[in-house]
Amino acid sequence: AQSVTQLGSHVSVSEGALVLLRCNYSSSVPPYLFWYVQYPNQGLQLLLKYTSAATLVKGINGFEAEFKKSETSFHLTKPSAHMSDAAEYFCAVSAGGYQKVTFGTGTKLQVIP
Amino acid sequence: SAVISQKPSRDICQRGTSLTIQCQVDSQVTMMFWYRQQPGQSLTLIATANQGSEATYESGFVIDKFPISRPNLTFSTLTVSNLSPEDSSIYLCSVEDRREPIGYTFGSGTRLTVV
Repeated sequence: AQSVTQLGSHVSVSEGALVLLRCNYSSSVPPYLFWYVQYPNQGLQLLLKYTSAATLVKGINGFEAEFKKSETSFHLTKPSAHMSDAAEYFCAVSAGGYQKVTFGTGTKLQVIP
Repeated sequence: SAVISQKPSRDICQRGTSLTIQCQVDSQVTMMFWYRQQPGQSLTLIATANQGSEATYESGFVIDKFPISRPNLTFSTLTVSNLSPEDSSIYLCSVEDRREPIGYTFGSGTRLTVV
């Protein structure tokens, strides 16, 4: 069984400020973890993924996430928010090997000029 | 990564009718997944489609309502049958890309509105 909890359905940050989106997971097997971004009226785009290699994962658009097994967390960060980062972000978990992906409820990021 | 073409991108349908959504992938994939995203909500897996076998449905989803075809390794269809306003959602297909281990690619989605 696997699940993902995203803390905060809405997060607002000022342009240039740190972005921190929180994700905690539960998995009965070593997990594969993902962050996806969804812009309005668009599909999902993969930001980054953890696949049991390095615990600090760098993704596109300056985002990164750190896998912390002891905390069962995979929080997404970006040092400096840009207006174009405004979107909805989904954390997800999978057992890999063609297994399904389970998504969190999403966090809408608002960037204030 | 794999490139997915999903059609139609949006549709408005009358209640009681059906809509068939197509998903074409530019490479052969073992599994294809169909998700539903209801307004303002996250993605929920409907079913997993493996070529040459019956699709596997998640709890709460049944084949009569969501029949799926998977005729080959690059194509799948999802039909949403006997439409009601509650079926108004975005439907997305997804594949696990063999060229990118542990990478799931999503189609751009089909936005369905039932009136």
